[in-house]
Amino acid sequence: QVQLIQSGAEVRKPGASVEVSCKTSGYTFTDHYMHWLRQAPGHGPEWMGWINPRNGDTHLVKQFQGRVTMTRDTSISTAYMQLSSLTSDDTAVYYCTRGMDNWIILQWGQGTLVSVSA
Amino acid sequence: DIQMTQSPSSLSASVGDRVTITCRASQGINNYLAWFQQKPGKAPRSLIYGASTLLSGVPSKFSGSGSGTDFTLTISSLQPEDFATYFCQQYKSYPLTFGAGTKVEIK
Repeated sequence: QVQLIQSGAEVRKPGASVEVSCKTSGYTFTDHYMHWLRQAPGHGPEWMGWINPRNGDTHLVKQFQGRVTMTRDTSISTAYMQLSSLTSDDTAVYYCTRGMDNWIILQWGQGTLVSVSA
Repeated sequence: DIQMTQSPSSLSASVGDRVTITCRASQGINNYLAWFQQKPGKAPRSLIYGASTLLSGVPSKFSGSGSGTDFTLTISSLQPEDFATYFCQQYKSYPLTFGAGTKVEIK
């Protein structure tokens, strides 16, 4: 069955960076876009962008450009999302999701809590 | 950006009730709408795309309808496992945007 297993919770200080990994199995990694989203406490999900695992192309929401890097390692079917210059507003659960394409979200990882606090 | 507005923000219902949640887009999005279910402390689960197409494994008690700006999610007979928060999301244009959610609680 399809699985997206994310790395564990992280705590960072303001100004630091964090990387979340998403190891996939049960499907052909390069056949499906990977969308990244986050959800702040008490809020709905917020879409951050996608990476095409086949060629590494990315599309990022404007507010994250320059601060978010999405990469992948096809040899181990794993995607990564790095967020830099963290502030307390970045405290959220971050999700990787398997896309049907670059528009539709099919399945979600279990989420990774990133807490930013001085 | 396309704004998605859900109503109500919460509702109380009993097991067996028929429940309808509404989602409105700030501009026409054809049928490029998805629905998600989220239980407390868990990741969202994808239910529907294309406004009315159920994903594999989603029970038929869930149904979606609408086109343009107005959409609905209906649960035909509410069961204990359906108490959750439901989100709509448009994928007509980037950035993909979500509604604020509708919390379905037990009466």
